[in-house]
Amino acid sequence: QSALTQPASVSGSPGQSITISCTGSSSDVGAYDYVSWYQQHPGTAPKLLLFDVTIRPSGVPDRFSGSKSGNTASLTISGLQAEDEADYYCSSYTYSSSYVFGTGTKVTVL
Amino acid sequence: QLQLQESGPGLAKPSETLSLTCTVSGGYISRSTYSWGWIRQPPGKGLEWIGTVYYSGSTYYNPSLKSRLDMSLDTSKNQISLKVSSVTAADTAVYYCARGPPNGDFRWFDPWGQGTLVTVSS
Repeated sequence: QSALTQPASVSGSPGQSITISCTGSSSDVGAYDYVSWYQQHPGTAPKLLLFDVTIRPSGVPDRFSGSKSGNTASLTISGLQAEDEADYYCSSYTYSSSYVFGTGTKVTVL
Repeated sequence: QLQLQESGPGLAKPSETLSLTCTVSGGYISRSTYSWGWIRQPPGKGLEWIGTVYYSGSTYYNPSLKSRLDMSLDTSKNQISLKVSSVTAADTAVYYCARGPPNGDFRWFDPWGQGTLVTVSS
């Protein structure tokens, strides 16, 4: 199985909105509404940000939102803050009962 | 609050079998329908799903690693174990364990343990 494709880096100024794309195939992202997103700060474990495309776990700010169209999912961070500087990974459950992560995106707050 | 703690040898030799353990506290793995996953991250690289085990004992593995994997639950110790055979330098990574959803497909993981670094070198 191939990793989902994400841009290597995205940057924005504080207060701006940024969007990270996550492109897969009809066997993963396009198969189900089972896309999730994780945030990882350096030296720490990943933290679940969104699951089932749009659902935020308790405690995740509503600045983080998700969407999906066809084989591409997106994570939008609105009102970018300094603490949002981190690596972000998308992931998807797959048609073959497997799980695949994206290539990862480094978000820089200018 | 559920907590997961990975443990392992730190250093493994090529061709050996790597054994890792994830100890769960704050909940019982035998009294739930959750799935439990292992994910790894080579230094400076991205995340890779290794496999998932259900409370029933059913396992699902990454196809690229399947022939070398063995995952199981030890309910008496409240632990999830992972064995990776015939390791090479490519298996050097931080290994994480994490809990899946309370039912259905393992479509997300939360929470995660802090991870344990395993280096494969002679």
